[in-house]
Amino acid sequence: AQTVTQSQPEMSVQEAETVTLSCTYDTSESDYYLFWYKQPPSRQMILVIRQEAYKQQNATENRFSVNFQKAAKSFSLKISDSQLGDAAMYFCAYQNSGTYKYIFGTGTRLKVLA
Amino acid sequence: DAGVIQSPRHEVTEMGQEVTLRCKPISGHNSLFWYRQTMMRGLELLIYFNNNVPIDDSGMPEDRFSAKMPNASFSTLKIQPSEPRDSAVYFCASTLGPKRGNEQFFGPGTRLTVL
Repeated sequence: AQTVTQSQPEMSVQEAETVTLSCTYDTSESDYYLFWYKQPPSRQMILVIRQEAYKQQNATENRFSVNFQKAAKSFSLKISDSQLGDAAMYFCAYQNSGTYKYIFGTGTRLKVLA
Repeated sequence: DAGVIQSPRHEVTEMGQEVTLRCKPISGHNSLFWYRQTMMRGLELLIYFNNNVPIDDSGMPEDRFSAKMPNASFSTLKIQPSEPRDSAVYFCASTLGPKRGNEQFFGPGTRLTVL
């Protein structure tokens, strides 16, 4: 069975600085998708970025980028120029080739310090 | 678009009572998911539907839980009888399928408290 691990329960970053959130996963599949979702205090889950396993190029969305290391089964999220509005829980998720199901990690709470 | 709509936003009930949570997916989306979020277990998928048909209900914790999707614009998750350990935030999400990699759009969640 696939698993997703986020080993950092909580992280802090100074405003305008860069932070990296870690995610590792375990799978025997070669074709899958990976996602980062953000959950602010409002509880609403919001997609931050996604990566297809077959694409070697790391995905980027404005200040958000990933470091996808397929062999190492690692999928970290880098947030550049951190803003107060980035403070939230961040969840890493895996979607395998056969279904639409997400498997979520336990989340990392990001605090942004002014 | 209004996004995924869930009701109620908060529900407080007593042990043994029936609870019904409601979800309206985004118009045109044909896959719908119910998740439960707790501190102890994180986000768990309970069940998902494709074209109103339940595809995988392996995450439903026990027979007290049931879900229906009578049409493309409405789904319910029912707990009968409810227990204190069912207290959690329940999310509904929808996506345009069948295509993997599509974003799942989440509703605001229903916070359920069972006393």
